[in-house]
Amino acid sequence: DTAVSQTPKYLVTQMGNDKSIKCEQNLGHDTMYWYKQDSKKFLKIMFSYNNKELIINETVPNRFSPKSPDKAHLNLHINSLELGDSAVYFCASSYGQFSYGYTFGSGTRLTVV
Amino acid sequence: GQQLNQSPQSMFIQEGEDVSMNCTSSSIFNTWLWYKQDPGEGPVLLIALYKAGELTSNGRLTAQFGITRKDSFLNISASIPSDVGIYFCAGHQGGSEKLVFGKGTKLTVNP
Repeated sequence: DTAVSQTPKYLVTQMGNDKSIKCEQNLGHDTMYWYKQDSKKFLKIMFSYNNKELIINETVPNRFSPKSPDKAHLNLHINSLELGDSAVYFCASSYGQFSYGYTFGSGTRLTVV
Repeated sequence: GQQLNQSPQSMFIQEGEDVSMNCTSSSIFNTWLWYKQDPGEGPVLLIALYKAGELTSNGRLTAQFGITRKDSFLNISASIPSDVGIYFCAGHQGGSEKLVFGKGTKLTVNP
């Protein structure tokens, strides 16, 4: 059973398109996250939700909009995709917002052409 | 934002050798963690440290929470080929929900 599952694994799309990445966790965790990993492997927090409430919103273009329909799901929608959005996006979850033993998904490699 | 300085950036070692890597910050951290990322996968938690001076082991891995609370070390003993991957330190400061990651140490083990 996959603890944190993301779909799709790979996403290739053209500039200007709108796309979504889905994430689900079956660990019963309260907090979920989106991280972006660039080509140099640097991991940067984008958003965090605790029990469906947004608690971290880093300086991310407003083309990125997270949505958490329930505490087991955190989706990421990206409008008007740009070349610089190409990266690997990781979803993660933890027991709570002050619990740092995150469980990560296997990532979504987004390529914008 | 707060940054963690992780070194070395990469390491090439022979199977059986011991490995050391570290992470430093100019600020105090309350929690230090070490993650490993295999190719095509997400990071996996190896060790979490919660108190200054704490020394914790997980098999061949040993990590320490520095006394100054501004650094942490990870040692791998008797490396094997499956130790290959990117090792990330991560830390949390008081007053913030954010976990900050270092830039990673890429480990290559030659059989």
